[in-house]
Amino acid sequence: DIVMTQTPLSSPVTLGQPASISCRSSQSLVHSDGNTYLSWLQQRPGQPPRLLIYKISNRFSGVPDRFSGSGAGTDFTLKISRVEAEDVGVYYCMQATQFPLTFGGGTKVEIK
Amino acid sequence: QVQLVQSGAEVKKPGSSVKVSCKASGGTFSSYTISWVRQAPGQGLEWMGRIIPILGIANYAQKFQGRVTITADKSTSTAYMELSSLRSEDTAVYYCASGGMDVWGQGTTVTVSS
Repeated sequence: DIVMTQTPLSSPVTLGQPASISCRSSQSLVHSDGNTYLSWLQQRPGQPPRLLIYKISNRFSGVPDRFSGSGAGTDFTLKISRVEAEDVGVYYCMQATQFPLTFGGGTKVEIK
Repeated sequence: QVQLVQSGAEVKKPGSSVKVSCKASGGTFSSYTISWVRQAPGQGLEWMGRIIPILGIANYAQKFQGRVTITADKSTSTAYMELSSLRSEDTAVYYCASGGMDVWGQGTTVTVSS
């Protein structure tokens, strides 16, 4: 199975300041079709997860442009340019390049 | 836009089985995959398996192989996840999600307790 490792575990951020989350996979996420199936999901307290970013850097419908994804191969990053109160929650990276799909352990974003 | 609505909370005894449903509306059910993901209390997300309704083909995570069965009823646009031989460690919120995890159900809490 592909292991997804996220850092940091927790990210206290001041409102309006940027936040960055890293995700590393145990092997390349480049699929044989040339795509890299790395997604980012947000889970607010008490809610189901919500898709933010797919295929490394594509924002899903309705996701604010303060969220951006980047990376390649085995190293990926989610950035929030200016954290807002509604961004509090746990963020997960997820790979769908190979079965079984696997998730990172999560990064908790909280306001200082 | 697809919406997924799951069945209600369940309390089960160890050794029994549970079957959770996930009804889709607002889209063409057969045209996308449905995955099942679970989340134990205070823990992260764990993929269990998925089904392609149009083909009726399911793939499972090795960890759950032999204990989980995912099916789909195209006539009612409903996917099902059945987990057998339940133990306390199966206490979790179970989610269904479509396609590339772009739409999620509201979650079903399954509690396994004697």
